Amino acid sequence: EPEVTQTPSHQVTQMGQEVILRCVPISNHLYFYWYRQILGQKVEFLVSFYNNEISEKSEIFDDQFSVERPDGSNFTLKIRSTKLEDSAMYFCASSVGRSSGANVLTFGAGSRLTVL
Amino acid sequence: SQQGEEDPQALSIQEGENATMNCSYKTSINNLQWYRQNSGRGLVHLILIRSNEREKHSGRLRVTLDTSKKSSSLLITASRAADTASYFCATAETGANNLFFGTGTRLTVIP
Repeated sequence: EPEVTQTPSHQVTQMGQEVILRCVPISNHLYFYWYRQILGQKVEFLVSFYNNEISEKSEIFDDQFSVERPDGSNFTLKIRSTKLEDSAMYFCASSVGRSSGANVLTFGAGSRLTVL
Repeated sequence: SQQGEEDPQALSIQEGENATMNCSYKTSINNLQWYRQNSGRGLVHLILIRSNEREKHSGRLRVTLDTSKKSSSLLITASRAADTASYFCATAETGANNLFFGTGTRLTVIP
């Protein structure tokens, strides 16, 4: 069964460092997403991406964050200058699209980011 | 905010019992979905119900949707220890692609 893969599974970084989280969405999916989940808390929407541009983003997704699809398979989330409060599990997801108004997301296993 | 709220936050039942989780949301939606998350893992889609549907079944899962009350419920019948996980409802606002997730219900099924 097709799956969304994320790397790294866990990254530890120093505050102020740049981090890139990588995702390979399902090949025939058109929409890509990043969500984050601070330990034990709710899953928060960060950004959605379609046709090589951001389609929607939340208030959390400020200038510190950026997304890119550098080639035909990867989808990356960059955090420019990490803060302690960026420590969370980051989930990538993809969906076929809005056909028939249904957007079922397939999630990756997540990348745990720890900022020290 | 579109985000839903699940109730209860935590639920502990014996194996074989039924588990019911509720979700409330705030604005008009295109569809509502339920996802499951095992500890420390990604979310897995369980079932989707459209705004013009009132009830849907999938195996041991039964979902209801009441758009007038902006609420949904997920029933898991004949629970198993393997059902232990967190369950989230997610809403898709009309015209939008992204889903907004609720706070989740942590279900523990005791063997």
